[in-house]
Amino acid sequence: AQSVTQPDIHITVSEGASLELRCNYSYGATPYLFWYVQSPGQGLQLLLKYFSGDTLVQGIKGFEAEFKRSQSSFNLRKPSVHWSDAAEYFCAVGASTGTASKLTFGTGTRLQVTL
Amino acid sequence: EPEVTQTPSHQVTQMGQEVILRCVPISNHLYFYWYRQILGQKVEFLVSFYNNEISEKSEIFDDQFSVERPDGSNFTLKIRSTKLEDSAMYFCAGLGTSGFTDTQYFGPGTRLTVL
Repeated sequence: AQSVTQPDIHITVSEGASLELRCNYSYGATPYLFWYVQSPGQGLQLLLKYFSGDTLVQGIKGFEAEFKRSQSSFNLRKPSVHWSDAAEYFCAVGASTGTASKLTFGTGTRLQVTL
Repeated sequence: EPEVTQTPSHQVTQMGQEVILRCVPISNHLYFYWYRQILGQKVEFLVSFYNNEISEKSEIFDDQFSVERPDGSNFTLKIRSTKLEDSAMYFCAGLGTSGFTDTQYFGPGTRLTVL
């Protein structure tokens, strides 16, 4: 069974500082990996995804993530955080076999940005 | 850009009552999902639906739950007899014609409150 671990429940960074949110996954084959962001009271917005190819993927809002198979990780990064980035971030894994694949989400990391 | 829509945005109901949550997926999507998020917890998969039948369901999706696509556009989740623990945000998602090698697009969610 697939699973996702986001070890940091809550992170606080200063505006302009760099950010890295950790995500570790468990899946028997090559996974499909996603980062979604959820602002308060809002739905889930896709930031970026990894299916195959280049292990460094670029997303919206200046975010990027790197797939490291050896570490079973897919950490999300941003070089300079903006106050509007404050939100909850979810890492998710999808199966790469079968059809109509469900997503398995991590517990999320809440990002607080101080001015 | 087409979006997934969900109605209502907030539903309040009494325990034991039936509720129907509605979703209008993006028109060319073929795979549909329901997820739920209990307040403060992670997003959990409930059910996937393809070609007018359930593809996969989680252990959460018991006999009290049902899904259907009654008119080829709306995708509904019915809870027959709501319980207090059904209080959660319910998200609908859709997947394009590429099957699992694609991105799930989420609606804004319906917040269900069971009193």
